[in-house]
Order: sequence, then structure tokens, then C-alpha cells
Amino acid sequence: EPEVTQTPSHQVTQMGQEVILRCVPISNHLYFYWYRQILGQKVEFLVSFYNNEISEKSEIFDDQFSVERPDGSNFTLKIRSTKLEDSAMYFCASSGQNYGYTFGSGTRLTVV
Amino acid sequence: AQSVAQPEDQVNVAEGNPLTVKCTYSVSGNPYLFWYVQYPNRGLQFLLKYITGDNLVKGSYGFEAEFNKSQTSFHLKKPSALVSDSALYFCAVRDIRTGANNLFFGTGTRLTVIP
Repeated sequence: EPEVTQTPSHQVTQMGQEVILRCVPISNHLYFYWYRQILGQKVEFLVSFYNNEISEKSEIFDDQFSVERPDGSNFTLKIRSTKLEDSAMYFCASSGQNYGYTFGSGTRLTVV
Repeated sequence: AQSVAQPEDQVNVAEGNPLTVKCTYSVSGNPYLFWYVQYPNRGLQFLLKYITGDNLVKGSYGFEAEFNKSQTSFHLKKPSALVSDSALYFCAVRDIRTGANNLFFGTGTRLTVIP
């Protein structure tokens, strides 16, 4: 069964540093998403991406965040200057025509 | 604006008993509804979805959910709980009227099945 792949599984970074979280969505999916979950809490929408541009974003997704699809397979989330409160599990997801949303296993980001 | 409510933070049930995890939603149009399960330190696994058609939806691992438009609910059910069903369960909704594709999640319900 096709999977969404996320790397790394765990990233530790110092406050103020830039991080890039990587995702490989399912190849024939057209919509890509980033969500985050602060330790065992609610899953929060960050951003959706379609046709090489952002289609929706939440108020969490401020100027510190950016997304990119640098080639035909990868989808990245960049946090420019990390804060302690950015510590969370970040999930990438993709969806296709059948309204099936597939999530990756997540990247646990720890900002110290 | 769309929203999802999971009124119970925690549900405990004895193994072999039926289980219900509640979810209600609020959207401006017709909803697409989803249930996901999260095991410890794992990602979100898809259980089932309601798009259209039969109000009773059957999904993975013996779970099912019933779409009730009048009560704006989409409760998750299973006839006989297993200890391995213990996990965090999330209900999610997509509001097709807004045209947005993203899902909005509830706060999650932790299910504990007691042996």
C-alpha cells in the first residue's frame, strides 16, 4: 500500500536555528498538507499545497514557516527561526481524488 | 466555520464489550467525515470515512461509524473491544462547501480497553 514518508523521524535543534522537515507524498496525489500535534494533544492544520502554491493556511502558519516542493517528489516544511513552542510532532499528509488522506508517521521536533 | 467536538477525553471499556467513541461536527454545508487512530509514538492511521451514500460506514479492524445528519454526529463503534484497540482516536471533518481540502480534527479521545 502506498505510504507518505517523512524524514527525519526525530530532530533536535537549538532555539533560533532553521529546520527543514521532509516528506515524500504518494506519487499520484495532488494535494499536500502539514499538520502538527503538540505532545498528545489536538492535531492542528498548518498549510495545504496544490498546484505548486499554498491553497490554505492557518493562523499558526506565520512568516516563520514556509513550504516548498523543490522537485517532483519532495514536499518540505521550513521553520526559519525555531522557538521552544515549535516543539511538536509534525505530520505530512497527501490526498487524491478519492478523498483519502494518508498521513506520514511524523517528525518529532524538539527545540532546546 | 467548521469544527469537530469529541466530548469525551477518555473512554474506558472492558474487553469484549461494545465501544462507542463520540463525535459531533459543525459545518456550513455537507461534511466529509473521517476517523483516525493513533497508537503511542506513531502516526495517524485511517480507519474509515463518510463521503456520501449509506449512513453506516464500515472500516478497518472491525470499526464502523454512523453518520446522523439530524444530530450532526458521526460516532465510532465496535461490537466487541480488544485490548489492542487501546489508542487515541481522532474524528475529523472536511467542509466541502468552503472548497478547502484540509481536515479539521477533534481533540481526540483516549480509549482504554481493560482486560
